[in-house]
Amino acid sequence: AQTIHQWPVAEIKAVGSPLSLGCTIKGKSSPNLYWYWQATGGTLQQLFYSITVGQVESVVQLNLSASRPKDDQFILSTEKLLLSHSGFYLCAWRHRGLAETLYFGSGTRLTVL
Amino acid sequence: GDQVEQSPSALSLHEGTGSALRCNFTTTMRAVQWFQQNSRGSLINLFYLASGTKENGRLKSTFNSKESYSTLHIRDAQLEDSGTYFCAAEGYTGNYKYVFGAGTRLKVIA
Repeated sequence: AQTIHQWPVAEIKAVGSPLSLGCTIKGKSSPNLYWYWQATGGTLQQLFYSITVGQVESVVQLNLSASRPKDDQFILSTEKLLLSHSGFYLCAWRHRGLAETLYFGSGTRLTVL
Repeated sequence: GDQVEQSPSALSLHEGTGSALRCNFTTTMRAVQWFQQNSRGSLINLFYLASGTKENGRLKSTFNSKESYSTLHIRDAQLEDSGTYFCAAEGYTGNYKYVFGAGTRLKVIA
């Protein structure tokens, strides 16, 4: 069975500090991977997607970047956090190809002070 | 771009009653998925539909791609059904983009 693990569970960071969030999928090779962001009380907004190692497409940047260094790993990062980066970050995967269910990790709650 | 209009934005149900949530799409969508987000923030998969109707226990969902809408029916609501429900739709643009509705905050009251 496939499992998706996100880390850390929660972070409290200062404005201007760097950030790195991680996501690992086990039990599935070559998945499509996604990063989503959710403001408190808001909907989910897709940030990035990746269909293969080393290839990441931006949907909405929000002064963030993403990388896929390995087939099962997706990293979201920034060198300088903004207050507006606060929220809930969710990683998701689905099988390669279209017409497939999207599965989410348990998320990282980020507070920027 | 593709848009998803979800209604109602909030809903209160007494235990044992039911209601329907709806998502309207501004363009033809390839598929729709429904999620329940619990108090911890976890997104639980409810349904994935490329067409037609699916049922699972007290939940039933329909996707009409021709008329650009999807519904989620909840019957015999229970306290554990409380949470926020989202629909997410995928268009035909081939850019792997899911668009989420604004969500329906459901509160089930004893």
